[in-house]
Amino acid sequence: GNSVTQMEGPVTLSEEAFLTINCTYTATGYPSLFWYVQYPGEGLQLLLKATKADDKGSNKGFEATYRKETTSFHLEKGSVQVSDSAVYFCALGSQGGSEKLVFGKGTKLTVNP
Amino acid sequence: NAGVTQTPKFQVLKTGQSMTLQCAQDMNHEYMSWYRQDPGMGLRLIHYSVGAGITDQGEVPNGYNVSRSTTEDFPLRLLSAAPSQTSVYFCASSLDGGGSGNTIYFGEGSWLTVV
Repeated sequence: GNSVTQMEGPVTLSEEAFLTINCTYTATGYPSLFWYVQYPGEGLQLLLKATKADDKGSNKGFEATYRKETTSFHLEKGSVQVSDSAVYFCALGSQGGSEKLVFGKGTKLTVNP
Repeated sequence: NAGVTQTPKFQVLKTGQSMTLQCAQDMNHEYMSWYRQDPGMGLRLIHYSVGAGITDQGEVPNGYNVSRSTTEDFPLRLLSAAPSQTSVYFCASSLDGGGSGNTIYFGEGSWLTVV
């Protein structure tokens, strides 16, 4: 079945450091890929998405590229801020009659000033 | 535009009690779902619905019941609460389940403790 594997945290960085959170997936067909972010005490918000191979999703300085050859969708940001502290979830949207998101386990990011 | 509204935000139940988590959306979305979030487990799908009158089981349906009598509402019922159901519950809605790239919108969560 479909699955998502993302790097385990927690990840602790200093402000202005470079961030990479790895995400790989297993799926049949051509899924859509998402990154969701959950700030403390809140629900999940869509951060970015990509719907086909080689697409790059971007938002708030974050980027991720849909790599079909490596089945990956790694999240990157060049310079993190304290306000980026949150839990990040990689997710896969399957197709073919059973459309529902499959989530990774989440990666907690803490950015220190 | 309220989006997805969940109530209650916090609830403490005794083992064996029943309760209903309410979820409503005002975006005319056909697809609604319930997830539970547990430490180190990510989000796991409990039940989902692809339209009024249609529901189906997700990954962890046992101990939960749902119905979808209207497009707007998708309540989640705990039939006989158990400590293993202590979790944070999220309701979500979207035009579809995410396979076409449409955004899934989440409620703010319901923190449930079963003692």
